[in-house]
Amino acid sequence: QVQLVESGGGVVQPGGSLRLSCAASGFTFSSYGMHWVRQAPGKGLEWVAFIRYDGSNKYYADSVKGRFTISRDNSKNTLYLQMNSLRAEDTAVYYCAKDWPTWLVLDYWGQGTLVTVSS
Amino acid sequence: EIVLTQSPATLSLSPGERATLSCRASQSVSSYLAWYQQKPGQAPRLLIYDASNRATGIPARFSGSGSGTDFTLTISSLEPEDFAVYYCQQRSNWPPVYTFGQGTKLEIK
Repeated sequence: QVQLVESGGGVVQPGGSLRLSCAASGFTFSSYGMHWVRQAPGKGLEWVAFIRYDGSNKYYADSVKGRFTISRDNSKNTLYLQMNSLRAEDTAVYYCAKDWPTWLVLDYWGQGTLVTVSS
Repeated sequence: EIVLTQSPATLSLSPGERATLSCRASQSVSSYLAWYQQKPGQAPRLLIYDASNRATGIPARFSGSGSGTDFTLTISSLEPEDFAVYYCQQRSNWPPVYTFGQGTKLEIK
């Protein structure tokens, strides 16, 4: 079965950096695009970034463009999110999710990792 | 940028009742509209894709309808486990940006 396990969350000061990881199993990771989606405490879902199956194209929400970088290592079945210049408003649970390209949806999600930006 | 507006923000119903949730897009999204369910402390779960197709393992009491700009998620007879927050989602053509509605909280009356 599909499993997505995020790690790397924690507390970081404003202006700091953090790298999240998402370990994938149960499907052919190198054949699917992947997403990061976040959810601030008590708020709704916000799409953050998408990377194509081969890493050739990456797309970002305006709120993180220029500060966050999505990447992947298909040899390790792992997705990453490098977050720089972090702000208080980046505080959220970050989920990785598998793309279902036929229907433009996110069909499997990890359990999330909490990032807190605070001094 | 396409904006998705869900209504109502909160829906208070009793088990056994019928729930109707709405999602309106600011411009046509064809039928590429999905619905997700999220329970407290859990990740979202895909319920409906392509506006009306149930995802794997989703009970038949969940149904979706609509196209263009107006979409509906219907739960025919509420079970206790259905009380949760529901989000709609679409992807724009170019650039490929994904958008979620703000959510509808379905609570027990």
